[in-house]
Amino acid sequence: LAKTTQPISMDSYEGQEVNITCSHNNIATNDYITWYQQFPSQGPRFIIQGYKTKVTNEVASLFIPADRKSSTLSLPRVSLSDTAVYYCLVGDKNNAGNMLTFGGGTRLMVKP
Amino acid sequence: GAGVSQSPSNKVTEKGKDVELRCDPISGHTALYWYRQRLGQGLEFLIYFQGNSAPDKSGLPSDRFSAERTGESVSTLTIQRTQQEDSAVYLCASSARGRATEAFFGQGTRLTVV
Repeated sequence: LAKTTQPISMDSYEGQEVNITCSHNNIATNDYITWYQQFPSQGPRFIIQGYKTKVTNEVASLFIPADRKSSTLSLPRVSLSDTAVYYCLVGDKNNAGNMLTFGGGTRLMVKP
Repeated sequence: GAGVSQSPSNKVTEKGKDVELRCDPISGHTALYWYRQRLGQGLEFLIYFQGNSAPDKSGLPSDRFSAERTGESVSTLTIQRTQQEDSAVYLCASSARGRATEAFFGQGTRLTVV
């Protein structure tokens, strides 16, 4: 079971870039790295997924080094509305099963 | 079609009563997950259904918890003889075949046991 480790909390200010790093030393060959965002009183929302190198979409960028033992979620120019909990997961996208395991996540607080 | 739908959105029940929570996944999604989230905590995996395969029940905390799914559609999570520690938000998610890590979540059912 690929376990992930990420900081419990982070603070930032509006307009700054935020980088959240996740460690997954035991990641398997077939595992993808996926990040979710959860606002209070809502279910988590998929934001980005990658296998290696770099992935970018309209919400975030995901950087994955060659050894894939860690990954970094980058949120450009955050706003107050980016205050949320961010979860890093690893799993086989063809058969996640109970491997779709959410840890405690990183609680990001964006301040004005 | 529409997203994952859960009902009821809120449920208050007396200790010792049974409750049934419902999840309507996105049409065509083969996988369905149930999670429990206590206040201020992360998500705790409960059970996973994939198509017509036997469900993975490894996360169910006790035999008071059970879940069923009809084919690839509606699922119900039943908690018997509720206890105060069962108070939490119960979240359901579904995903398409080959995209198991891209799960879509419902808004959850907030269960309060008094």
